[in-house]
Amino acid sequence: DGGITQSPKYLFRKEGQNVTLSCEQNLNHDAMYWYRQDPGQGLRLIYYSQIVNDFQKGDIAEGYSVSREKKESFPLTVTSAQKNPTAFYLCASSILLDTSYGYTFGSGTRLTVV
Amino acid sequence: QKEVEQNSGPLSVPEGAIASLNCTYSDRGSQSFFWYRQYSGKSPELIMFIYSNGDKEDGRFTAQLNKASQYVSLLIRDSQPSDSATYLCAVKAGKSTFGDGTTLTVKP
Repeated sequence: DGGITQSPKYLFRKEGQNVTLSCEQNLNHDAMYWYRQDPGQGLRLIYYSQIVNDFQKGDIAEGYSVSREKKESFPLTVTSAQKNPTAFYLCASSILLDTSYGYTFGSGTRLTVV
Repeated sequence: QKEVEQNSGPLSVPEGAIASLNCTYSDRGSQSFFWYRQYSGKSPELIMFIYSNGDKEDGRFTAQLNKASQYVSLLIRDSQPSDSATYLCAVKAGKSTFGDGTTLTVKP
């Protein structure tokens, strides 16, 4: 079955540590996105990519980095520069150039600073 | 002003009633509108898409769009306890902007 796989489901980060969240899709979607969700709030866009080897900053990119070396993969690194990283991170994908197509989401990664 | 605003909620309705969820958006050029359902602790799932003015029905769900008023709504008929979730309104396909969501509780 096609879908998006995020791993790990739970992640604990120590102060000053970089961590990488994995996102893999087998839907053959062109576009991939990373969103952050804080309790009681909506989704805020961190980064997105519409094509391999290209990505764009979203609204809250500071302290995060991404890569898109393969169409299927869009990992997110939370760097030590992100001072408040505790949140629920969601990866999504969609078909580009189809305005009727919404997002398919992964199951999310819950990151906690310890 | 936020790009996408939803009723702050929470919204509570008795089982069998109609639940009405509302959303306004600021970009008059927006073409595509989506409703996602998110159960507690889970990721969002797409339940409705609408792009034309008027109503679009899918089972117990009806999405309504009024571009002149920049208003989108979701009606859930015959609400069930399993409908209890947070409902997110999203505007635009690709690089969507989301509202903060409205939490719905359906009481048996």
